[in-house]
Amino acid sequence: GDSVTQTEGLVTVTEGLPVKLNCTYQTTYLTIAFFWYVQYLNEAPQVLLKSSTDNKRTEHQGFHATLHKSSSSFHLQKSSAQLSDSALYYCALGSNTNKVVFGTGTRLQVLP
Amino acid sequence: GGIITQTPKFLIGQEGQKLTLKCQQNFNHDTMYWYRQDSGKGLRLIYYSITENDLQKGDLSEGYDASREKKSSFSLTVTSAQKNEMAVFLCASGTGGSYAEQFFGPGTRLTVL
Repeated sequence: GDSVTQTEGLVTVTEGLPVKLNCTYQTTYLTIAFFWYVQYLNEAPQVLLKSSTDNKRTEHQGFHATLHKSSSSFHLQKSSAQLSDSALYYCALGSNTNKVVFGTGTRLQVLP
Repeated sequence: GGIITQTPKFLIGQEGQKLTLKCQQNFNHDTMYWYRQDSGKGLRLIYYSITENDLQKGDLSEGYDASREKKSSFSLTVTSAQKNEMAVFLCASGTGGSYAEQFFGPGTRLTVL
């Protein structure tokens, strides 16, 4: 079946430094889309950015991600982490089945 | 815009008890979802529904029932609560399709004594 892998459970970075959250996937579907959801403490998950176009960079709120079908990846990056970026981040795969497969999540902790 | 409401916010139950969680959305979305959120395990799909009266099992459906009697509402029943169980149940809705993002409710936190 489909799967999304987020290898890091916790990523800790110092404010102002770059950060990268990894996401890889396996799927047999041809029509797919990818999402990064962010969940701040005591809030509901919300979409941070999404993409369905191979090799096209998508940006939102200072974060960016590029879908690379050749390596089955959709890593999330930011050039300068902020304290307010501390949250739980989920990578997710959507297909035309109406189901969305989520990764196990990566907690980002930004330290001053 | 719209909103998803989940009731109750906190649910405390006894072992073996049947417990019902409710979700309402006013986005007019066709598709609704129930997820269970456990630390380190991500969001696991319990049930989803692509239209009124439709039910589709997710990967974690055993031990749960669901009901979609109206387009705007989606209920989840824990058929027999497990002792010491603690989890957050999230309801979501969306337009469906591969590129459709999901909108989440604030969650119901379940504790079983």
